[in-house]
Amino acid sequence: QVQLVQSGAEVKKPGASVKVSCKASGYTFTSYDINWVRQATGQGLEWMGWMNPNSGNTGYAQKFQGRVTMTRNTSISTAYMELSSLRSEDTAVYYCARIMVEWLRGFYYYGMDVWGQGTTVTVSS
Amino acid sequence: DIQMTQSPSSLSASVGDRVTITCRASQSISSYLNWYQQKPGKAPKLLIYAASSLQSGVPSRFSGSGSGTDFTLTISSLQPEDFATYYCQQSYSTLWAFGQGTKVEIK
Repeated sequence: QVQLVQSGAEVKKPGASVKVSCKASGYTFTSYDINWVRQATGQGLEWMGWMNPNSGNTGYAQKFQGRVTMTRNTSISTAYMELSSLRSEDTAVYYCARIMVEWLRGFYYYGMDVWGQGTTVTVSS
Repeated sequence: DIQMTQSPSSLSASVGDRVTITCRASQSISSYLNWYQQKPGKAPKLLIYAASSLQSGVPSRFSGSGSGTDFTLTISSLQPEDFATYYCQQSYSTLWAFGQGTKVEIK
């Protein structure tokens, strides 16, 4: 079945970096873009950015520009999200999600149809 | 950046009620609007894409409408499994964004 499996929980100190992985299975990894979304405890969803696994092209939310890097290894169908200069406010659950594309009414439409299980990142001294 | 605003932030309803949640974009996003459901401790689930298209496997009691800046998610007859938080999300611009969420609670 189609699924995204993320790496395990991380505990990091302020100023450190974290790299979360997202392994795809059940579909052609390079055929679908990947988004990263995070959620602090008790808060809403926050979109971080996207990556095209085929080209490696990326786009990041302004809030994370300069601190986030999204990469991939196509040989193992895995996407990565690295966040640097961590601070306590980065404590959250981080999700990867596949972007599906539908041709409808003459246009392409996009949505996140498959999600990873989430990775908890705790930033604490 | 495009901002998404949902209302209400929370609501209380009973099983069988008709529930409506509103989402407004800070500029026109045509029909590039998705709705997600999230239950505690779980990843979000796509319900509606392109403002009104039902994602495969989603019950028909869920429906979406709207275009431009104003959108609505309707649950025609609330079921026990529908108590959750709902988020709208725009995919019009390259940089996506979510609304702040609407928590649907049991009355």
